Amino acid sequence: GQQVMQIPQYQHVQEGEDFTTYCNSSTTLSNIQWYKQRPGGHPVFLIQLVKSGEVKKQKRLTFQFGEAKKNSSLHITATQTTDVGTYFCAGPGNQFYFGTGTSLTVIP
Amino acid sequence: DAGVIQSPRHEVTEMGQEVTLRCKPISGHDYLFWYRQTMMRGLELLIYFNNNVPIDDSGMPEDRFSAKMPNASFSTLKIQPSEPRDSAVYFCASSGHAGAGYGYTFGSGTRLTVV
Repeated sequence: GQQVMQIPQYQHVQEGEDFTTYCNSSTTLSNIQWYKQRPGGHPVFLIQLVKSGEVKKQKRLTFQFGEAKKNSSLHITATQTTDVGTYFCAGPGNQFYFGTGTSLTVIP
Repeated sequence: DAGVIQSPRHEVTEMGQEVTLRCKPISGHDYLFWYRQTMMRGLELLIYFNNNVPIDDSGMPEDRFSAKMPNASFSTLKIQPSEPRDSAVYFCASSGHAGAGYGYTFGSGTRLTVV
């Protein structure tokens, strides 16, 4: 099945700095989803992107889908301690395949 | 809706014992997924059901693992006999339309420790 790779695996930022995680696929994706998992918690669905070049925003979070629909990114502006967690992208197949995730630590 | 409900939240068992994990999906969701999460392997899909029928069990590690969905509101994942390497967090998730557009709703998970 399709696989998606995420970078970086870990990211430490000072509170107030920006953060970006990238998701890459070797094949074209019909759509891509993003999830957030807080420490000790479960993955929570954030958003789905479908269109080539699509950009969606949720407050300080900006999601992009590449023009070729092979990559995606999640950018957080001015991180807060509440942003701590692991962010996963998930690409479709018969079911969604989760990337390896990016673990974000925000230093107060 | 109470969301996806899993039980127990924590399970500690001795090697060789049978373990049964339970899941109640969201009413109306026709897809149910079992995932296992470890530091080493991340989130692994074990099996998924559509309308109570197992569709893909290629992620089930070995014959010691089995899953059932006797009706639309209940599923079990059984490990018999359990081994220390089965220690992980097991998540159940459900969705409509195979998650397309709506995402998966995960339960809170069962943290399994096999000693």
